[in-house]
Amino acid sequence: AQTVTQSQPEMSVQEAETVTLSCTYDTSESNYYLFWYKQPPSRQMILVIRQEAYKQQNATENRFSVNFQKAAKSFSLKISDSQLGDTAMYFCAVTTALNNFNKFYFGSGTKLNVKP
Amino acid sequence: DAGVTQSPTHLIKTRGQHVTLRCSPISGHKSVSWYQQVLGQGPQFIFQYYEKEERGRGNFPDRFSARQFPNYSSELNVNALLLGDSALYLCASSPMSRDEQYFGPGTRLTVT
Repeated sequence: AQTVTQSQPEMSVQEAETVTLSCTYDTSESNYYLFWYKQPPSRQMILVIRQEAYKQQNATENRFSVNFQKAAKSFSLKISDSQLGDTAMYFCAVTTALNNFNKFYFGSGTKLNVKP
Repeated sequence: DAGVTQSPTHLIKTRGQHVTLRCSPISGHKSVSWYQQVLGQGPQFIFQYYEKEERGRGNFPDRFSARQFPNYSSELNVNALLLGDSALYLCASSPMSRDEQYFGPGTRLTVT
């Protein structure tokens, strides 16, 4: 089984500043995928960024980037130039790809509040 | 293109009743997964269906069941509702069962 831990229940950041959300995971699989999802107050989960474990290069999507440390099983999300629209719950998730089955394991989430 | 859609948006049921939640995946997506999200927690996996076959089941009682139709839409059924079943039920689809999942807006179920 996989487990995901997000140790920061809530964080705040000033608009235009940078913030990093932490995530650690545990899996015995060698091939897996990591994700960050954003859930705004309107509740629909939106994919932020995706990382394949076999790729050493950290994924980047515009203002969002990850710091993937495979040996440490760490997968943090950095948000640069924070915007008010980034206010949301952020969930880290891991999944494996075995026999066409990709059960997602989610962390408990980090509530991010971007202040004007 | 339309995203994942779910119905109804909100639902209030009484303990012991039965409920059916519906999900339509993104066009072309053949895999549908269901998650339960209790307030303040991350989503918990319930089921995954791929090409109309159950691929996996989470740690939920037999009161929970699901199915996928030929058009890849899906239903989640919960029998004998308990207060603890109150949650946001999320449906997610993916083009192949290995890819990232795209979530619907969810159905908020309240059991009184």
